[in-house]
Amino acid sequence: GQQLNQSPQSMFIQEGEDVSMNCTSSSIFNTWLWYKQDPGEGPVLLIALYKAGELTSNGRLTAQFGITRKDSFLNISASIPSDVGIYFCAGQLNDYKLSFGAGTTVTVRA
Amino acid sequence: EPEVTQTPSHQVTQMGQEVILRCVPISNHLYFYWYRQILGQKVEFLVSFYNNEISEKSEIFDDQFSVERPDGSNFTLKIRSTKLEDSAMYFCASRSYNSPLHFGNGTRLTVT
Repeated sequence: GQQLNQSPQSMFIQEGEDVSMNCTSSSIFNTWLWYKQDPGEGPVLLIALYKAGELTSNGRLTAQFGITRKDSFLNISASIPSDVGIYFCAGQLNDYKLSFGAGTTVTVRA
Repeated sequence: EPEVTQTPSHQVTQMGQEVILRCVPISNHLYFYWYRQILGQKVEFLVSFYNNEISEKSEIFDDQFSVERPDGSNFTLKIRSTKLEDSAMYFCASRSYNSPLHFGNGTRLTVT
């Protein structure tokens, strides 16, 4: 299956700082998605991107679908304590399968 | 907002036993999935199901696994003879045409 490289693996940030993470792939995707997972829960969709070059915001979150269709980034502005969690990128090529990155663990220092 | 619901939230079973994990996808969704997540690792695709048949499966989804949609609302994952390495969180997910995947909160399977 497609391999997604997500970085950084983890980050410690100060409350109020901006956060940036990205995903790259050796193969193209038609859709990029970003999910957040809190402990003991399932992944929750944050942002979905459907077109190469698309830049989409959801509150303090901004994500972009790379023009090559092989990468995407997620930015969180002005982080707050509830931003703590694991963020996963996911790429979808066809109707049936979503491939996940390994996740970025975000810890916010108050 | 409609949700994908999974039961039980935690299942403990002995090695070699059969388990059935249950899911109720969002009601107007057409595509159904099972994923698993071993503790501390990424979410891995197991199988997708559309139009009452498996549309794609991963190498993890071997003969010990099966899925079924026995009625109009439930979607189940059966593991025939559990192994220690089957211990993981199992997530059900669903989506409608042209919509992103929505996940349930998972079933934690512990095989002892």
